Amino acid sequence: AQSVTQLGSHVSVSEGALVLLRCNYSSSVPPYLFWYVQYPNQGLQLLLKYTSAATLVKGINGFEAEFKKSETSFHLTKPSAHMSDAAEYFCEWGLSFGAGTTVTVRA
Amino acid sequence: DAGVIQSPRHEVTEMGQEVTLRCKPISGHDYLFWYRQTMMRGLELLIYFNNNVPIDDSGMPEDRFSAKMPNASFSTLKIQPSEPRDSAVYFCASGTGGTPYEQYFGPGTRLTVT
Repeated sequence: AQSVTQLGSHVSVSEGALVLLRCNYSSSVPPYLFWYVQYPNQGLQLLLKYTSAATLVKGINGFEAEFKKSETSFHLTKPSAHMSDAAEYFCEWGLSFGAGTTVTVRA
Repeated sequence: DAGVIQSPRHEVTEMGQEVTLRCKPISGHDYLFWYRQTMMRGLELLIYFNNNVPIDDSGMPEDRFSAKMPNASFSTLKIQPSEPRDSAVYFCASGTGGTPYEQYFGPGTRLTVT
């Protein structure tokens, strides 16, 4: 069965610093991969999706992710963190969600 | 578009009572998903429907849980009888077959069973 693994349950960054959230998927090349964001007391919101059209995917709020088959990874990045990026982030493949990574942004 | 609508937003009930959670998916979406989220277990898929037909209910914890989708614009998740360990946030999400598993989530129902 397909699965994803998110490395690091919690990431703390300074405002303006790079945000890097890691997601690895299992074995065979997946047709679709997603990143979602969840703000407190809200549902998950789609950030971006990989559908094999391009390996570098741009999403909302300045986030992007790169699909790397050789590394079976789909890491999420944002060049400059903003206070509003504080939330929990989930990677998904085939209805399998990672455990989530909570991002804290320090002023 | 109003997005996925869930009701109620909060539910507090006593152990043994029946609980019904409701969901209205985004119009035109042919997939509907029910999830449960807890601190201990994270986000768990309970069941999903395609064109109102249940496709996979392997995540339903036990016979106390049941879900229906009588038409394309409405689904229910029922717990009978409820137990304290059912306390969680329950999310409904909908999507289309165009990009399978791209999901749009509702705001959730926070269930507390005392």
